[in-house]
Amino acid sequence: GIQVEQSPPDLILQEGANSTLRCNFSDSVNNLQWFHQNPWGQLINLFYIPSGTKQNGRLSATTVATERYSLLYISSSQTTDSGVYFCAVGAGNMLTFGGGTRLMVKP
Amino acid sequence: GAVVSQHPSWVICKSGTSVKIECRSLDFQATTMFWYRQFPKQSLMLMATSNEGSKATYEQGVEKDKFLINHASLTLSTLTVTSAHPEDSSFYICSADRDRGTKTQYFGPGTRLLVL
Repeated sequence: GIQVEQSPPDLILQEGANSTLRCNFSDSVNNLQWFHQNPWGQLINLFYIPSGTKQNGRLSATTVATERYSLLYISSSQTTDSGVYFCAVGAGNMLTFGGGTRLMVKP
Repeated sequence: GAVVSQHPSWVICKSGTSVKIECRSLDFQATTMFWYRQFPKQSLMLMATSNEGSKATYEQGVEKDKFLINHASLTLSTLTVTSAHPEDSSFYICSADRDRGTKTQYFGPGTRLLVL
């Protein structure tokens, strides 16, 4: 099956800092989504981005499908950004999740 | 829009009992729903794909007789953990596929199961 690797596994930031999270995948996909799992376990949709670039407020994402990676940018981080960020990919509507990046933003 | 609910949010049960978890899409119809489980500090693992009106498709290694899935309508799927054991304790999460030209999945808040 498809392999999904996220880096870094853990990240500690000071409030206001910027960060880049990476997702590498092993095969061609036509479905790629980024999620934020908050401390209560709820997964929140951030981006559906099988290719190209999207921005939503302080967050943006870029997927280079031909090179099999996606990046999630967080600018001016806030304590509420803390949690786990997952990349999930698939060739249809079924998703394979990466291991996640655990982010802690300190005040 | 695209709200998915789960009930119960947490459950504690004795070993050997069965537990039913409901997943509902509140403001859309979901042809396909997915069930995942997540152990502490780990990623989500897909257990099964549930299509309305047909049998669920289970991932390799998931016992279909232990994890019974029923997708009776376009807004409701249920997961029943039969004869639960302590090793079944986990965080169970459902998602629903709202087909609007994308394959975006919307997730429920999850159900924490503790089997004593």
